[in-house]
Amino acid sequence: AQSVTQPDIHITVSEGASLELRCNYSYGATPYLFWYVQSPGQGLQLLLKYFSGDTLVQGIKGFEAEFKRSQSSFNLRKPSVHWSDAAEYFCAVAPSGSARQLTFGSGTQLTVLP
Amino acid sequence: NAGVTQTPKFRVLKTGQSMTLLCAQDMNHEYMYWYRQDPGMGLRLIHYSVGEGTTAKGEVPDGYNVSRLKKQNFLLGLESAAPSQTSVYFCASNTPGTSGNTIYFGEGSWLTVV
Repeated sequence: AQSVTQPDIHITVSEGASLELRCNYSYGATPYLFWYVQSPGQGLQLLLKYFSGDTLVQGIKGFEAEFKRSQSSFNLRKPSVHWSDAAEYFCAVAPSGSARQLTFGSGTQLTVLP
Repeated sequence: NAGVTQTPKFRVLKTGQSMTLLCAQDMNHEYMYWYRQDPGMGLRLIHYSVGEGTTAKGEVPDGYNVSRLKKQNFLLGLESAAPSQTSVYFCASNTPGTSGNTIYFGEGSWLTVV
């Protein structure tokens, strides 16, 4: 069974600083990989996804993520954080060939300082 | 532009009471899912359905039942609510192989069992 680890429970950055959120997965083959964002009291919004091809994936709101097979990682990055990026971020994986069952990481809470 | 709609959004139950959460999607998706979200645990799959009239257990199915009598609806039932079922519940839907395999989420239902 696949699993997802987000090592950082809480990250604080200053507005305008760069951001990297870590995600490591455990799966026998290359899975489908996702990053979702959840604002307080809201549902989950898809930021970006990776299925195959170019390992650097661009998403919405200026986010990108890089798939590194050798490290089993799919880290999320943003060059300059905005106050509105404060939210909880979830990495998720699904078996390659099917998005039927997502397995989520435990989430990383992002605080942005003015 | 409804997407995935969950009702009710908030509910307080007494231990032992029953209730049903309704999920409706207007995207003609084949698959539907119910997740629960608890602090520090990400989202965990309760039950899912791969088509009208079918259901299957996910990671944490105990204490819940589901039904998919119509393609667009997926009901989650609690027959005898327990405080451990206090959580935020998310419904999701997709059709694997379409829309980039994106899974769409509802905005969540906050359930408190006292």
